[in-house]
Amino acid sequence: GESVGLHLPTLSVQEGDNSIINCAYSNSASDYFIWYKQESGKGPQFIIDIRSNMDKRQGQRVTVLLNKTVKHLSLQIAATQPGDSAVYFCAESNTGTASKLTFGTGTRLQVTL
Amino acid sequence: DVKVTQSSRYLVKRTGEKVFLECVQDMDHENMFWYRQDPGLGLRLIYFSYDVKMKEKGDIPEGYSVSREKKERFSLILESASTNQTSMYLCASNESGGQETQYFGPGTRLLVL
Repeated sequence: GESVGLHLPTLSVQEGDNSIINCAYSNSASDYFIWYKQESGKGPQFIIDIRSNMDKRQGQRVTVLLNKTVKHLSLQIAATQPGDSAVYFCAESNTGTASKLTFGTGTRLQVTL
Repeated sequence: DVKVTQSSRYLVKRTGEKVFLECVQDMDHENMFWYRQDPGLGLRLIYFSYDVKMKEKGDIPEGYSVSREKKERFSLILESASTNQTSMYLCASNESGGQETQYFGPGTRLLVL
């Protein structure tokens, strides 16, 4: 079946640097994408989403970029802080809604001081 | 803020026991979901419900059943727990139509001995 994957299982960045977490998806019909953050011992927390009619969306310190040509999604975190240390998941849907999501396996972001 | 709560953070059960995992959401969401999360596999959908008394199988329903007698509550049942059901179980909810992201509970870590 279709799958969503991540290029890097672990990413280590210094505090204050920018982080980029990547995600490749294989379903060309995917039209809605979400990034989640999961801290240790907690459930996933919504960060930002983007629909396929956009190629960029910005939030507070985060930006999601969507490249439909190569089926690639990225999450950029500006001025990474220790509190950003977590596992980050991408998820995709081909229904235009968040009611049928396929999740990636996650990337661990480690922020060093 | 949306709040999704799960009845237990940690559970230890023996093989063959019947296990109930409870999830409650306070946002009047129509849709509720049960996932399991295993290292390297990401989140996999077990069952979901889009209305009271309605349920649909997800990707891995075998060995599980669900119950939704009230809108705010969605229960996951392991009829006869097995060691391969040791996992982190996550409940989520979102509104009908799924235009908003899924909101997750903190998870229940189940160990079956």
